[in-house]
Amino acid sequence: NAGVTQTPKFQVLKTGQSMTLQCAQDMNHNSMYWYRQDPGMGLRLIYYSASEGTTDKGEVPNGYNVSRLNKREFSLRLESAAPSQTSVYFCASSELAGVTGELFFGEGSRLTVL
Amino acid sequence: QKEVEQDPGPLSVPEGAIVSLNCTYSNSAFQYFMWYRQYSRKGPELLMYTYSSGNKEDGRFTAQVDKSSKYISLFIRDSQPSDSATYLCAMSEWEGGSEKLVFGKGTKLTVNP
Repeated sequence: NAGVTQTPKFQVLKTGQSMTLQCAQDMNHNSMYWYRQDPGMGLRLIYYSASEGTTDKGEVPNGYNVSRLNKREFSLRLESAAPSQTSVYFCASSELAGVTGELFFGEGSRLTVL
Repeated sequence: QKEVEQDPGPLSVPEGAIVSLNCTYSNSAFQYFMWYRQYSRKGPELLMYTYSSGNKEDGRFTAQVDKSSKYISLFIRDSQPSDSATYLCAMSEWEGGSEKLVFGKGTKLTVNP
């Protein structure tokens, strides 16, 4: 029972490089989310997709783009990485947006930008 | 003032102790209150959720919400080393037709054998 799968688990980039974080869920959930977690800052929402075909900005969207490829997959792209984007990124999914906040998280992708 | 305040700890207790974790909040529109548990190098997982004020019990865990004081608590009875983790409170409200979920920064708990 995989749940939410994120790839890669670790990545080191140089400033200015681009990369895409991949996320897939096998629970047939409608809503998917990307968060970043930084020491002293907690979890902050970057982008979310309430349903297939829709995406919306969260609290900290600058420097990121997302694609809801299909119901299962939601990717996060960094076009020109900056050291401030060094963080742990979590993908999450929920059955319906706006239902009790029950999110299912992946194990995280640890990104370092030099 | 931050919307959700949570003491980051760390909190260290002996096995068998009763643990109390707390969050305060400023937004009176929050309706759902949740506790997530996050083990080291893992994603958060939902532990408990409550709607509005009151208590909810699940085994050794009790979640308590006091909306009049804007204060929520998680109690862990007979704490075990396996309870060692970071505990995140979270709260949600409806805003502009969608749910807004706000997390606390988390409290790191260590239960010593």
